[in-house]
Amino acid sequence: EVQLVQSGAEVKKPGESLRISCRGSGYSFSNYWISWVRQMPGKGLEWMGRIAPSDSYTNYSPSFQGHVTMSADQSISTAYLQWTSLKASDTAMYYCARLGSIGVYGMDVWGQGTTVTVSS
Amino acid sequence: QSAPTQPASVSGSPGQSITISCTGTISDVGGYKYVFWYQHHPGKAPKLIIYDVSDRPSGISNRFSGSKSGNTASLTISGLQAEDEADYYCGSYTNSSTVIFGERTTLTVL
Repeated sequence: EVQLVQSGAEVKKPGESLRISCRGSGYSFSNYWISWVRQMPGKGLEWMGRIAPSDSYTNYSPSFQGHVTMSADQSISTAYLQWTSLKASDTAMYYCARLGSIGVYGMDVWGQGTTVTVSS
Repeated sequence: QSAPTQPASVSGSPGQSITISCTGTISDVGGYKYVFWYQHHPGKAPKLIIYDVSDRPSGISNRFSGSKSGNTASLTISGLQAEDEADYYCGSYTNSSTVIFGERTTLTVL
């Protein structure tokens, strides 16, 4: 079964760092982009960017460029989303999704989501 | 870059058809065939229901159809069913080589 499994919920304080993960299985992880999508409480979906696990090439949405870092380790079929200094406004659900398997930009397989809560 | 505009809510009765519009610009929706639609039930992961304007992934009901004219894409759901009640998002590739989601549309099945 093709799936993406994300790391568990996180509760952090402002200023702390965080890395969440997304592990793929059931397919050749390095062959497809991984996108990250944010959903803030009560709000819509926002595309944050994508990473090519094969060479770690990244492409960020201007809204997120410089605020987060995407990385990947194809040897363990895992992508990461990282913050160096969290803010309360980073509180959200974060999804990873496979991009490029259906159509060029369709995201056909999604992780279950990781809830990040940033509060003092 | 602003998110493509969608109606905040639409509603319909079981068996009816509804259409959700998605209006962008020539830099996104109007400029590319890479327009897609997602269905999102709260608490679950989003599901791709339309890609490349009008194609359906395997397993998606043919009650869902997509089209585009100019800068506006549309999702039509025919034969509404209770389980169609969800949030719907359009999205598009952009001229910045990024992807952008539209604003959320909440579908209520009366």
